[in-house]
Amino acid sequence: GAGVSQSPSNKVTEKGKDVELRCDPISGHTALYWYRQSLGQGLEFLIYFQGNSAPDKSGLPSDRFSAERTGGSVSTLTIQRTQQEDSAVYLCASSFRGGGNEQFFGPGTRLTVL
Amino acid sequence: DQQVKQNSPSLSVQEGRISILNCDYTNSMFDYFLWYKKYPAEGPTFLISISSIKDKNEDGRFTVFLNKSAKHLSLHIVPSQPGDSAVYFCAAPVKGSGTYKYIFGTGTRLKVLA
Repeated sequence: GAGVSQSPSNKVTEKGKDVELRCDPISGHTALYWYRQSLGQGLEFLIYFQGNSAPDKSGLPSDRFSAERTGGSVSTLTIQRTQQEDSAVYLCASSFRGGGNEQFFGPGTRLTVL
Repeated sequence: DQQVKQNSPSLSVQEGRISILNCDYTNSMFDYFLWYKKYPAEGPTFLISISSIKDKNEDGRFTVFLNKSAKHLSLHIVPSQPGDSAVYFCAAPVKGSGTYKYIFGTGTRLKVLA
């Protein structure tokens, strides 16, 4: 079956522009996570969606970051007015019912802000 | 506050020898741990996990040991193979009010030399 897919795989943008990153989770997975990995760093938690519950946004680094999950499936991470420090690989993961269940990761989107 | 720490950013091991990757944690409430492997340009993939009720879990060439009193876990790979060359992350789920975050370490880059 299809795994988690993310698009685009690479995105180069100019400072100050807005970007949207897309994640298609595995069908039937109710939990969806966004992480980012900056150069030389570990995976930094950004946001967590679980079913119809309010998302856990506690990891979003600033109000320029937002995410939506439509219909309990596809998710979009939006970064407004991008800054150079936003450059990172943005990873999406999904799992069945969340909790301590194994997460399945997408290949990531490499964002470069010039 | 880095609750999950991987203090060795890199490790080189000869093919056929044992690889030992270490992870320390500070939160005594963690009750489940996971190891992920990440190849370049790919998302992390789940490798092995351990519950805090156990002190060892084995899966083929991979064994994870947990020392709760020392708040330390380690991943042993034996025998190591060149295909094991990747970045390894340890992670622990943290339960909030109805949500789960995963706290990841910064990763250890393993290089298995042929």
